[in-house]
Amino acid sequence: QVTLKESGPTLVKPTQTLTLTCTVSGFSLGSSGVGVGWIRQSPGKALEWLALISSNDDKLYSPSLKSRLTISKDTSKGQVVLTLTDMGPVDTGTYYCVHSPSYYHSVTGYRPTYYFDFWGQGTLVTVSS
Amino acid sequence: DIQMTQSPSSLSAFVGDRVTITCRASQGINNYLAWYQQKPGKAPKSLIYAASSLQTGVPSRFSGSYSGTDFTLTINSLQPEDFGIYFCQQYKTYPVTFGPGTTLDIK
Repeated sequence: QVTLKESGPTLVKPTQTLTLTCTVSGFSLGSSGVGVGWIRQSPGKALEWLALISSNDDKLYSPSLKSRLTISKDTSKGQVVLTLTDMGPVDTGTYYCVHSPSYYHSVTGYRPTYYFDFWGQGTLVTVSS
Repeated sequence: DIQMTQSPSSLSAFVGDRVTITCRASQGINNYLAWYQQKPGKAPKSLIYAASSLQTGVPSRFSGSYSGTDFTLTINSLQPEDFGIYFCQQYKTYPVTFGPGTTLDIK
């Protein structure tokens, strides 16, 4: 059974760096083509994809946030870490860790599909001084 | 970025009704379209991927289809537990993008 659980601070101050950890179970971060990513949801309900890391350590970031985001993983611990620098009030929202299943491409091999079949429960982060 | 729009933004329906929600992509995405359901205070739940493939465990009253850049989520025989917000997502092109959501209430 695939599960993902987010952990991290619930309150951060403006200009601080947010660090969130996703602990996964039921699959390995090294499984061919699997991806784990982050999506956030503003209080107004819009969903925004942030970043994804694949089993072979390929990383993709939202173009609008790329300069502020870093994603990494520790396969042995089953953890994916996201950092977002220079937090501001617009970054307030619920942050979800998500699992992206893999597919096989004849040229590139196993890759994440970039749709999300399992989601963590989410963690609400508020930016306020 | 590919823009995703949804219509209607909200709707109310009776138990037993057939409900249709539409999602439109700003450019072609083939069938790289997923649907999610979100209930208040909960994470979104995957319903459909590849435009029409039902996620494991999702009731068969949910179905998806598409024509060109127009995608449809249909709920046959609406049940009380089907209330919530429905989102579409394209995963054809980086960055993946979501629709704004359709809120479904049960009358």
